[in-house]
Amino acid sequence: AQSVTQLDSQVPVFEEAPVELRCNYSSSVSVYLFWYVQYPNQGLQLLLKYLSGSTLVKGINGFEAEFNKSQTSFHLRKPSVHISDTAEYFCAVSASGGGFKTIFGAGTRLFVKA
Amino acid sequence: DGGITQSPKYLFRKEGQNVTLSCEQNLNHDAMYWYRQDPGQGLRLIYYSQIVNDFQKGDIAEGYSVSREKKESFPLTVTSAQKNPTAFYLCASTGVRMNTEAFFGQGTRLTVV
Repeated sequence: AQSVTQLDSQVPVFEEAPVELRCNYSSSVSVYLFWYVQYPNQGLQLLLKYLSGSTLVKGINGFEAEFNKSQTSFHLRKPSVHISDTAEYFCAVSASGGGFKTIFGAGTRLFVKA
Repeated sequence: DGGITQSPKYLFRKEGQNVTLSCEQNLNHDAMYWYRQDPGQGLRLIYYSQIVNDFQKGDIAEGYSVSREKKESFPLTVTSAQKNPTAFYLCASTGVRMNTEAFFGQGTRLTVV
């Protein structure tokens, strides 16, 4: 079975500072990894995804994530955040054996302060 | 544009009533899902369907029912047996391969009054 752990439930950060949102997963098979963003009272939208190839993945809005197989991590980073990045971020994993199910982490609330 | 439409956006239910949340997609996706979201608890899977006329229980199926009579539609009924139905409900769909991302609707906020 697969699982996803987002290590921080809330991350406060000042505007223009760098941020890292941490995600660890467990799986006995190859995985596909995703980060989604959710703005208040809206659905989730895809930020980026890792399927194969380069371990550094670039997404929308200046975010990027690095897949680290040895540490089973997929941390999300942004070098300089904006107020508009305030949202909830979800890490997710999809793997063989799980059928079509994608497993989501509990979410990390990013709060950008002026 | 292709996407997922959930309706209504806000729904109020009296205790003891059943209510049905609508989810329609025009992405030609085979798989559809219903999630419940409560503050601080992330997304919890209620039901999912991989093909028309077939669906499986997720982690918190008690008090809910679904149908999948058409590929495009996956309605969720919140029954009176669901003891704490107030939550934000999200519908999603994916393609047939595991490396495809999920597309989400805008959600329905259900409140019991």
